[in-house]
Amino acid sequence: DSGVTQTPKHLITATGQRVTLRCSPRSGDLSVYWYQQSLDQGLQFLIQYYNGEERAKGNILERFSAQQFPDLHSELNLSSLELGDSALYFCASSSGLAGGPETQYFGPGTRLLVL
Amino acid sequence: EDQVTQSPEALRLQEGESSSLNCSYTVSGLRGLFWYRQDPGKGPEFLFTLYSAGEEKEKERLKATLTKKESFLHITAPKPEDSATYLCAVRGSARQLTFGSGTQLTVLP
Repeated sequence: DSGVTQTPKHLITATGQRVTLRCSPRSGDLSVYWYQQSLDQGLQFLIQYYNGEERAKGNILERFSAQQFPDLHSELNLSSLELGDSALYFCASSSGLAGGPETQYFGPGTRLLVL
Repeated sequence: EDQVTQSPEALRLQEGESSSLNCSYTVSGLRGLFWYRQDPGKGPEFLFTLYSAGEEKEKERLKATLTKKESFLHITAPKPEDSATYLCAVRGSARQLTFGSGTQLTVLP
């Protein structure tokens, strides 16, 4: 158990809909990262938050957005869903402290199926 | 742009048959090379972090090594429970992880 929690575990929805994925980082970690894993693309970095502020952006679509709340949990919002958005979505956390360990610990993931 | 290439894509071993997985990388300003293990449908599980060429780390039957261009994950006398996908990732000056596509390892009893 990495200490990172994600809900829900599974999500089935229809094209055009909007969903919200939730992540709680390990106790004490300030940085949260979101990744998408599909069969043909592997693990792709989407976005990073550090202590409530956006820190880095990867290949995140404009239909996707995220935020990190004062209690450090994070939510990833996916809107106008398409069939191709079906994937595993992972959250990871790290301490985020300058000079500190930069290892990212991953949660169990949310499996999204868009029908 | 940081790049990671893992080989082979898949590897089948008999129990006890040692082997190595390769991770070749190009990165601007290496700030860490990471090995993860991933079981089907689960999140990646952290194994090792290596920071500089010549560094080695061991855990049970696994040993990770690092050079300036590649890393190896050596598996000694593997068991069926070592079957998983092994992922390599690098963190460069951009501070985000770039993952390889993984090596799917199957260890037969």
